[in-house]
Amino acid sequence: SQKIEQNSEALNIQEGKTATLTCNYTNYSPAYLQWYRQDPGRGPVFLLLIRENEKEKRKERLKVTFDTTLKQSLFHITASQPADSATYLCALDKGSGNTGKLIFGQGTTLQVKP
Amino acid sequence: DGGITQSPKYLFRKEGQNVTLSCEQNLNHDAMYWYRQDPGQGLRLIYYSQIVNDFQKGDIAEGYSVSREKKESFPLTVTSAQKNPTAFYLCASTMRQRNYGYTFGSGTRLTVV
Repeated sequence: SQKIEQNSEALNIQEGKTATLTCNYTNYSPAYLQWYRQDPGRGPVFLLLIRENEKEKRKERLKVTFDTTLKQSLFHITASQPADSATYLCALDKGSGNTGKLIFGQGTTLQVKP
Repeated sequence: DGGITQSPKYLFRKEGQNVTLSCEQNLNHDAMYWYRQDPGQGLRLIYYSQIVNDFQKGDIAEGYSVSREKKESFPLTVTSAQKNPTAFYLCASTMRQRNYGYTFGSGTRLTVV
C-alpha cells in the first residue's frame, strides 16, 4: 500500500541548533515533494517545493533534500528559533496523471526551546 | 491582498442536519481542494476541482458533496450521511499546472452536538 510517514514523536531541540525532520514514502513515484508549516488551529503554509530531479533546495534558513532512491526527504532548519515551533507537514503528488493532487503526511511537531 | 477565505471558523451541527462550509479565493487559481484533518492524522482529501463545473472525489468523499459553479468558490456540504463529521476542514487552492504550492484557508472546525 502507499504510505507517507513522518516521525510522529515531537522533536525538541535547543535554540540555535539545526532541526532535521524526516519524510519517508513507499509505493509512490512523486514528481515533486512539498513541505508546509502548520500552527495550531491554522491552515498549513507552503514553505518549499523540490522536484524529483533536484537533490537539494534552500530558502533562507531552510534546506530540503530529496532522495528518490531512498524514497526520503529531509527538512532542515538551521539556527532554529522558538518562533520555528510548529508542526511541519510533507506532501507529495502521486506522479503522472494526478495533476496537482497532493497526499500529506501526518506531520512532525517541532519544539524549539530558548 | 489575495487569499483564500473559509467561513465560518466554528460550526456546530445537530444530528441529521446538513451544513455547508464556504470557501472563496481571489487568487485566480484554477484548482481547489477540500481536506479533512483529525488529531494525529494527516490531511485527507475529500473532493477536488480543477476547472469550473467539474470536480472529482478524493479518498473520503462519502457523506460529502461539493459544487464549483464559479472559479472563485468551492463550497462543501457535510450531509447527514457523514457519520463522523467532527473535524477540522481545510480548503486549498493552486494553479492547475503541477509543481505549485497550495494556498490554504484558515479552516473551519465542525462539531456535532
